[in-house]
Order: sequence, then structure tokens, then C-alpha cells
Amino acid sequence: NAGVTQTPKFQVLKTGQSMTLQCAQDMNHNSMYWYRQDPGMGLRLIYYSASEGTTDKGEVPNGYNVSRLNKREFSLRLESAAPSQTSVYFCASSDPGTGGAQYFGPGTRLTVT
Amino acid sequence: QKEVEQNSGPLSVPEGAIASLNCTYSDRVSQSFFWYRQYSGKSPELIMSIYSNGDKEDGRFTAQLNKASQYVSLLIRDSQPSDSATYLCAVTTLADYKLSFGAGTTVTVRA
Repeated sequence: NAGVTQTPKFQVLKTGQSMTLQCAQDMNHNSMYWYRQDPGMGLRLIYYSASEGTTDKGEVPNGYNVSRLNKREFSLRLESAAPSQTSVYFCASSDPGTGGAQYFGPGTRLTVT
Repeated sequence: QKEVEQNSGPLSVPEGAIASLNCTYSDRVSQSFFWYRQYSGKSPELIMSIYSNGDKEDGRFTAQLNKASQYVSLLIRDSQPSDSATYLCAVTTLADYKLSFGAGTTVTVRA
């Protein structure tokens, strides 16, 4: 099992460009999450999907959109990137069977210039 | 907003010593508690989960939970340089599928 995979690993964008971060999990988990992690700010939830077909805003949703494509895949889109979106982005998944524990992908390091 | 507070660190311990990490949480209905380890430049990795009061041991790691005091801790016995990382405390009520994370405590084990 690969667990949670994310693409790309690194990305540099210019202000105003758009891009989509991809996430997939092979653990048959119902719930998936997108976080950003900035120095001194900890992990902050951007969006989550409790189950296929549903998405909800987290703590810092502005400037982002998500799509739960199917049970395996959950993508994060930046429509018009801003320097404030420079961060490390993590995708995670969980399931009632995990007791609430979330399992993280390797992350995408995004720089917006 | 659920709050999770961790001792600020950084925590420096000599090799072979016990590292003690503390975490308090504000939401009394929290039900599940986790410790994640995050090496620099890597993603968080689940190392311990605890659901009921008392101690839970896994190798050199012991998690302790006291729901009355809203307190969870992690002890790392016989600390090794490979334990040098940031440790994140996380809690959930299970009602909304979300985890609340602490800011993390950075541990450095001196050889």
C-alpha cells in the first residue's frame, strides 16, 4: 500500500497563476483533508471531505477550492496564487475504523513569487 | 474552536534520558488523543494513540491520559538522536471528523 500520495512534491508559481494539488489514498478511507503548515503557525485545516460527495471549509479556506473526485482522490485548487499561499501543503485521510487518527501524505512545498 | 496547548520547548535532553512532553486541551468532550512525530522537512507520522485514562506503552514511548485534568503526555524513554523531531499533540471529539493540533514541541537529543 502506498498510503497517501501527493503530487507534485515541489512547485513554484508566479502571482496570479493557478494550479491544482493532487492527493490520492489507497486505504479505502472515507474522510480526506487538506492542511497547510507555516513556520510558527502549526497545521491549519483548509478544507475537508467527511465522505465522498461532501466538502466543508476548515479554518483557512479563502483562496482555495477543492474537489472530491471519488473516494480515493481529493484535489486542492489555487485559482489565483498569492505570495501568502507560499507554504507546505499536506493531504491526510482517516476513517471511523482509525479511531479518528489521520494519515498524512508526504506534502507539497509551494512557493509563490 | 478547540484549543490544544503544548509545552513550548525546544526541549534538549542527553542521549539515554527521558523526554517528557505535555499537552492540555480545552474541549471536555474530546475522546481520542494522538501523538505525531514530524522530522524536519517531512510529514507528520502517527506514533501513539490513546482513548482511555491511564498509560499506554509502545516500545520506548508511553502516552498518559487524564481526562479529568484534560491532560495528555508523551514520555520517550532511553532517548536516541533519532528521536530528534517535532512532536505534535492532536485531539478529536469524533463528532466532526476533525483533529485539533497543538503547535508542537521540538525535541533535540544530544549524543
